[in-house]
Amino acid sequence: GAVVSQHPSWVICKSGTSVKIECRSLDFQATTMFWYRQFPKQSLMLMATSNEGSKATYEQGVEKDKFLINHASLTLSTLTVTSAHPEDSSFYICSASPLAGETQYFGPGTRLLVL
Amino acid sequence: SQQGEEDPQALSIQEGENATMNCSYKTSINNLQWYRQNSGRGLVHLILIRSNEREKHSGRLRVTLDTSKKSSSLLITASRAADTASYFCAWGNNDMRFGAGTRLTVKP
Repeated sequence: GAVVSQHPSWVICKSGTSVKIECRSLDFQATTMFWYRQFPKQSLMLMATSNEGSKATYEQGVEKDKFLINHASLTLSTLTVTSAHPEDSSFYICSASPLAGETQYFGPGTRLLVL
Repeated sequence: SQQGEEDPQALSIQEGENATMNCSYKTSINNLQWYRQNSGRGLVHLILIRSNEREKHSGRLRVTLDTSKKSSSLLITASRAADTASYFCAWGNNDMRFGAGTRLTVKP
């Protein structure tokens, strides 16, 4: 099946620093990737849709200047949490699909802890 | 809210029993998917059911879909301790929206 990877798997940073998370589709190309955030014991919340070669589409309430998304190639999307604060501590997961509208494959997630 | 409703929120059963989880979604769909998530890990795709399907089976999994009620159910038969996890339904043509999830505990 299709494989999506994320890097890093976990990161601890100081408040005020920026953190970049990578999402890669390993065996397929994806014009669209999706970024989710999950707080403990809660469900996944869609943050934004990452579009290759164009601007990301953000969900209501998600600050685009704080969560920068770059989708520079058909196999790589990056999410940068800028000026991270403790409330940004969460589990960030990306997904992609080889075929639009079909099964979404999820990365293993990145756990961010901001001190 | 992005989330639909999922019930029960938590379910605890003995090994060998069946587990049923229900999901309500909010919009019209082309398909609905079920995922499993072990604690603190990524999501594993279980099954996809299309809007023109009413029931689908995969091993010990049985999924039903009622588009008139905007609801779906996941049945796990003959449960095992290894089935302990959170289960989510998700819908959307590309950008997936997730139900609140059911935390299943299967006691050995």
